[in-house]
Amino acid sequence: QVQLVESGGGVVQPGRSLRLSCAASGFTFSNYAMYWVRQAPGKGLEWVALISFDGSNTYYAESVKGRFTISRDNSKNTLYLQMNSLRAEDTAVYYCTREYSTLKGYYYYAMDVWGQGTTVTVSS
Amino acid sequence: QSALTQPASVSGSPGQSITISCTGSSSDVGGYNYVSWYQHHPGKAPKLMIYEVSNRPSGVSNRFSGSKSGNTASLTISGLQAEDEADYYCSSYTSSIQVVFGGGTKLTVL
Repeated sequence: QVQLVESGGGVVQPGRSLRLSCAASGFTFSNYAMYWVRQAPGKGLEWVALISFDGSNTYYAESVKGRFTISRDNSKNTLYLQMNSLRAEDTAVYYCTREYSTLKGYYYYAMDVWGQGTTVTVSS
Repeated sequence: QSALTQPASVSGSPGQSITISCTGSSSDVGGYNYVSWYQHHPGKAPKLMIYEVSNRPSGVSNRFSGSKSGNTASLTISGLQAEDEADYYCSSYTSSIQVVFGGGTKLTVL
C-alpha cells in the first residue's frame, strides 16, 4: 500500500542540526513532488518546504528559508529535510506528504498521502 | 505569509449541515483556485478532503463540498455524523510560490 514513513526526529539543542528522512513505498516516488509540513504543540499545520518530482526545484516557508534544505534521492525512494541552526520554535511534529497531482511539473498544492510524523524537540 | 483565517470552532448536531470559512487575500485564496481542505483527527495523519476549491479526491464522501467567493473559501459538511468530529484546515497556494494553511477549526458534533 502507499506509505510514507518518517524518521530522524529527536531532542536537539538550539543551534544544532538534524536530518529527517521519509521512506516512500507503494507508488512511483520519482513521479511526485513532495512536501514537509509541521505542527507545533497545540498549534495548527504549517507548510515547510516543497520539492519537485526530480529535485530540480525547491521552495521554502519564510520561517525556515536559509536554515532548512529539502532534498530527495529517487534511487532510494527517500525524501530528506536537513535542518540547521535549529530554534525552539522549530519544535513540532514533522510530516512528509505527497503532492496529489500525478502530472510531473503540475501542482494542485494539495497533499493526498501523509506519514505519521516524526517529533523534533529543540531544547537545551 | 500570514496564516489564513478560520473560526476556532464550529458545532452542529447529527444530520445538520455546517460551513467552515477560510479567509485570505488576493495573493492567495482570492488569486488562485488552489484551495484545499484537510480533516485531522488528533494522533492520526491528516486527510485530504477537497482540492482545487471544490474537487473531492476518490473515496471522500459527497457530504463534503467546497466553494469560494472572493478571498474566502468555504467547506460545507452536510448530514453531520459523529465521525466528522475533527480539526479541519484549509490551505492555499500563494503568489510567493508558497503554501499557507489556515489556523484550523475544531468541529464538534453535539
